[in-house]
Amino acid sequence: AQSVTQLDSQVPVFEEAPVELRCNYSSSVSVYLFWYVQYPNQGLQLLLKYLSGSTLVKSINGFEAEFNKSQTSFHLRKPSVHISDTAEYFCAVIPNTGRRALTFGSGTRLQVQP
Amino acid sequence: ETGVTQTPRHLVMGMTNKKSLKCEQHLGHNAMYWYKQSAKKPLELMFVYSLEERVENNSVPSRFSPECPNSSHLFLHLHTLQPEDSALYLCASSPQRPGQGSGANVLTFGAGSRLTVL
Repeated sequence: AQSVTQLDSQVPVFEEAPVELRCNYSSSVSVYLFWYVQYPNQGLQLLLKYLSGSTLVKSINGFEAEFNKSQTSFHLRKPSVHISDTAEYFCAVIPNTGRRALTFGSGTRLQVQP
Repeated sequence: ETGVTQTPRHLVMGMTNKKSLKCEQHLGHNAMYWYKQSAKKPLELMFVYSLEERVENNSVPSRFSPECPNSSHLFLHLHTLQPEDSALYLCASSPQRPGQGSGANVLTFGAGSRLTVL
């Protein structure tokens, strides 16, 4: 079975500051990794994903995440945040074999302040 | 309409009521899911359907009853719920069932149905 830990339930940050949202996972098999974002009153949207290849993956709106197999982590970073980045961010994993569906973390609320 | 649509967006019900949540996907996907989102907790997978066949049921109480009449529609029938069942219920779809296809099977989510049980 897989599990995902997002240690920070809330991360307040000022506009234009850098941010890192932490994600650690546990799995006995290799996994695919995802970050989803949920804006207020909306469903979850895929932000970025790691399947294979380069361990650094990037989204179109400036976020990036790096897969670290030895530390079983997939932290999300952005060098300069905007007010519009205020949302809840969910890390998720799925084994790359078998028939399991996504396993999500408990989410991190990013609050960008002016 | 495009994407995944959920109705109603908000629902308030008593513990003795019977109600249903509806989900419709316009993406031509073959799998549909119900997730429960409670505050401060990970999203909980409830049910997975692939081509109208239930392929996963994660020990959900029988007061939640799913129905998938075709690959585009998914319902969650609610009966004699408890206050702790109050949550945001999210529907999602994916091109294939979990574990099939090359690479990961990306989920597309609806906006959710906010359920309050009094």
